Amino acid sequence: QQQVKQSPQSLIVQKGGISIINCAYENTAFDYFPWYQQFPGKGPALLIAIRPDVSEKKEGRFTISFNKSAKQFSLHIMDSQPGDSATYFCAASGSGNFNKFYFGSGTKLNVKP
Amino acid sequence: DVKVTQSSRYLVKRTGEKVFLECVQDMDHENMFWYRQDPGLGLRLIYFSYDVKMKEKGDIPEGYSVSREKKERFSLILESASTNQTSMYLCASSFRWGYTFGSGTRLTVV
Repeated sequence: QQQVKQSPQSLIVQKGGISIINCAYENTAFDYFPWYQQFPGKGPALLIAIRPDVSEKKEGRFTISFNKSAKQFSLHIMDSQPGDSATYFCAASGSGNFNKFYFGSGTKLNVKP
Repeated sequence: DVKVTQSSRYLVKRTGEKVFLECVQDMDHENMFWYRQDPGLGLRLIYFSYDVKMKEKGDIPEGYSVSREKKERFSLILESASTNQTSMYLCASSFRWGYTFGSGTRLTVV
């Protein structure tokens, strides 16, 4: 079964708007939650990550919100730009498991100018 | 700058061929992974390796095998390529806080 569920599958946002992508997990042993950004023709690249001891982490226009009790986390992209158009993957991992990450199914973001 | 290099960006192979996808990392990472990426299915783990000559099956190992003779190199082998193995293949090596991915190999089996 899918360890990390991601929604929506695709998202269209106007330039300057807020993009929100949601993920949920079941395994309470997960203790690290990164987001990856993938541009066409490239491999995914680490964007931002959070650990469950904090509820929010912000890096520039990108923010992760984390709700431990609900086992959900989300990526917010503020002031979305056409250059943010990419596929975004959430992921989760737990310690002691060969650094194996479980990925969501991906969200294709299109920011319209 | 750390790198994971996949030897081919695009490959076209015939059904039944034996196919080798090569991946090299220069970061001295212990763990390496092979994923395939398909639209709507995200990244699915095929195999991973946590040490030289050590390997573990991922979620979709059928039809694939792997080889890791040296720490920096991890190869994915399609024993007898089939059309349902047409996909984007991504190699990654990992540190505790994430993966570094290669640029991918887009394989088409005809």
